[in-house]
Amino acid sequence: NAGVMQNPRHLVRRRGQEARLRCSPMKGHSHVYWYRQLPEEGLKFMVYLQKENIIDESGMPKERFSAEFPKEGPSILRIQQVVRGDSAAYFCASSSLEALWTDTQYFGPGTRLTVL
Amino acid sequence: RKEVEQDPGPFNVPEGATVAFNCTYSNSASQSFFWYRQDCRKEPKLLMSVYSSGNEDGRFTAQLNRASQYISLLIRDSKLSDSATYLCAVTVTGTASKLTFGTGTRLQVTL
Repeated sequence: NAGVMQNPRHLVRRRGQEARLRCSPMKGHSHVYWYRQLPEEGLKFMVYLQKENIIDESGMPKERFSAEFPKEGPSILRIQQVVRGDSAAYFCASSSLEALWTDTQYFGPGTRLTVL
Repeated sequence: RKEVEQDPGPFNVPEGATVAFNCTYSNSASQSFFWYRQDCRKEPKLLMSVYSSGNEDGRFTAQLNRASQYISLLIRDSKLSDSATYLCAVTVTGTASKLTFGTGTRLQVTL
């Protein structure tokens, strides 16, 4: 059973470019969460999605950041016009409906974004 | 005050030692509690959930004290491979299961 998959694992962008990060949840999981870990800091919640719905985006910056989880395909975290402060590790986690009451989430390997 | 606080360490202990980490949380509506382990530049891996009654998994024991709003992790007979950062995480009732993490406690086990 494959775990949570994220790609790319490493992404380098120049200031002003767009970054697209993809996350495929574990098989059978329909809940996806995105977290960001800045250098030397803890993980911060960004957004929680179910298929075709954003459930909680309270941790998302108001501008330049968006997320989706379409009916088919992976979840996408999109960062427009990246700035150096966006450099971080972005982790995706997933959980199943059955695990929801325990809130158990399993993390993917992360995408390390570097903005030059 | 941070929602979840941990002593950042580092904790440097010899192999075989017993080490304990504490984590305090500020929101009394917190409902689920976890310990994750994160190796350098890797993803967090779930170590164990923490229940009111306490739970044990091999050399690892987790406790929850709701009255004082803290959780603890005890590692017995430390191994070199236990060297990592240990993150505590909580969810709060009504917040759609999002995890709030502490900044982590770094453990270094030495020979």
